[in-house]
Amino acid sequence: AQSVSQHNHHVILSEAASLELGCNYSYGGTVNLFWYVQYPGQHLQLLLKYFSGDPLVKGIKGFEAEFIKSKFSFNLRKPSVQWSDTAEYFCAVYGGATNKLIFGTGTLLAVQP
Amino acid sequence: NAGVTQTPKFRVLKTGQSMTLLCAQDMNHEYMYWYRQDPGMGLRLIHYSVGEGTTAKGEVPDGYNVSRLKKQNFLLGLESAAPSQTSVYFCASSLSAYNEQFFGPGTRLTVL
Repeated sequence: AQSVSQHNHHVILSEAASLELGCNYSYGGTVNLFWYVQYPGQHLQLLLKYFSGDPLVKGIKGFEAEFIKSKFSFNLRKPSVQWSDTAEYFCAVYGGATNKLIFGTGTLLAVQP
Repeated sequence: NAGVTQTPKFRVLKTGQSMTLLCAQDMNHEYMYWYRQDPGMGLRLIHYSVGEGTTAKGEVPDGYNVSRLKKQNFLLGLESAAPSQTSVYFCASSLSAYNEQFFGPGTRLTVL
């Protein structure tokens, strides 16, 4: 069955530190890839998405992600985090026979001022 | 545009009671979804709909029913609530299966 793995369950960083959150998926065919963010007490919002083209995708709030097909990965990055980036981050993948978006279990990011 | 709205925002039920959660979207999306979010488990799909009058089971459908009588509305029903259904419920909609999903603000349900 298709699966999406986010190996970092809880990440704690200081402000201005660099961020990289891992996302790996199991499906080998064509995929659409998403990163969502959920700020405390709020609903999920789209950070960025990849359908095709340049594998380095820029999103909102200074986030970017790189699609590496050979590694089945779509890692999220930000060069310098802020306290306001404290949130839970979800990777999601569409592809294959399920015809549905599959979410990872999320990574909780806490940024300390 | 309001996007995706959900009612109610909070609800407390006793075991065995029933309730319906309402989701509405004003983006003319064909696809609508109901998820539950539990700590450490991410989002799990309960049921979804690919158009008016259609529904399908997701990953965790047991104990829930849904209806999509109008394109803009997607109802989630709990016929006999159980403590295991204590969760935060999110509705979402999208143009198609592979497009971005837009989420509602969520309903926090507690079953005592």
